[in-house]
Formats: sequence, C-alpha cells, structure tokens
Amino acid sequence: SQTIHQWPATLVQPVGSPLSLECTVEGTSNPNLYWYRQAAGRGLQLLFYSVGIGQISSEVPQNLSASRPQDRQFILSSKKLLLSDSGFYLCAWDPGQANYGYTFGSGTRLTVV
Amino acid sequence: RKEVEQDPGPFNVPEGATVAFNCTYSNSASQSFFWYRQDCRKEPKLLMSVYSSGNEDGRFTAQLNRASQYISLLIRDSKLSDSATYLCVVNRGSTNAGKSTFGDGTTLTVKP
Repeated sequence: SQTIHQWPATLVQPVGSPLSLECTVEGTSNPNLYWYRQAAGRGLQLLFYSVGIGQISSEVPQNLSASRPQDRQFILSSKKLLLSDSGFYLCAWDPGQANYGYTFGSGTRLTVV
Repeated sequence: RKEVEQDPGPFNVPEGATVAFNCTYSNSASQSFFWYRQDCRKEPKLLMSVYSSGNEDGRFTAQLNRASQYISLLIRDSKLSDSATYLCVVNRGSTNAGKSTFGDGTTLTVKP
C-alpha cells in the first residue's frame, strides 16, 4: 500500500532562518506531488506541484521554493523565512488521474518567530 | 467570485440529525469532484468522490448537479465523531496536476 511521510511535525524558526521540509511517498511510482499551506482558520493554498523529477510548477510567487530530486521525494525550502510564512504545510500525492483524490501527509506546523 | 464556494457555517446539530452541505463551483468545465474531511489541526482526508449519478457510502450521500454547478454532501444520523470541517474539491482537468481547487470548508459540530 502507498504511504506518505512528512517531517518534522512541528517547527519553530526565527525570522530570516532557512527552511527545509521533506516529503516522501512509498509504494507508488511517478506520483504527482504537491505542497499546500493552510494559514490558521483559512483554506488550503497550493504552493507547488510536480508531475515528475525536476519538474516544478509554482502557483504563488514568494520566498519559497520546491525541488524534486527523486521520483518520490519532494522538498520545500526557503532561504530566509518571513513571519507570514507561518502556517500548516501539507504535502500530498496522487497517481496522476483526475478521478483519484489526494492523499495528504500529516503536515508540518511552522511558526516563524 | 471564488472558483469554489462553501458556506463556512458553523453548522451545529444534535446527534441523530440529518445535515447537508452545498458547494458551488464557477468553472463549467470541471470534471471531477470530491469531499474531504479535516479534523482540527490534522491533515484533510478523502471522504468520498462525487459521481454524476450520485453515490452513497453508509450515512454519507454525495450528489452532483452539473446544470446548477454545485455538489452536495448529506450526512444522516449524525454522530459526535462527524464533527469536523468538510472541504469540497473541484478538479477542472483530465489530470489533477495543478487543477484542483479546494473550498474553504464547512465546519460541523454535532452535539449530544
């Protein structure tokens, strides 16, 4: 069966520090991968998605970046965090077909102080 | 106008009640539809897909009205454990990639 792992679960980082969140998927190949952010009490905002190794599409220009160095690995990064980067970051995957929904990782709750 | 709109609620209902949520979408070319459930401070989890003919899973019934561009979720015999935020998702492409839009969610609280 397929599983998605996301870590860390919680993170407190100072403004201006770097960020690296990692997500890996097991039990499938060539998944679509996504990074979403959910601000407190708000909806999900799509940040990046990837349909293959090295292929990244950005939905919202900001100080975040994403990379997909391996088929089942998706990384979210920032060189310098802002207070506004605080939120609940969720990685998700799907098998690339529209009739399948997403499976989300358990999320990383990031607080920038 | 948002691409996907939901009544944020909250819906407060007693145990055993029947409750329905609607979700409207603006893109008539949308192709697939889903309901997710999100518990407080947790990740969203897929509840059910929504098929054109309507579909049922236990106490949950999902329906699609393409003419009026909305989907609905009906929960019968509400349980305390049904308390959560329900998100609708609309996919406007033949693949999901970058083409799914989430509603902001409807909060349900089921009370004893």
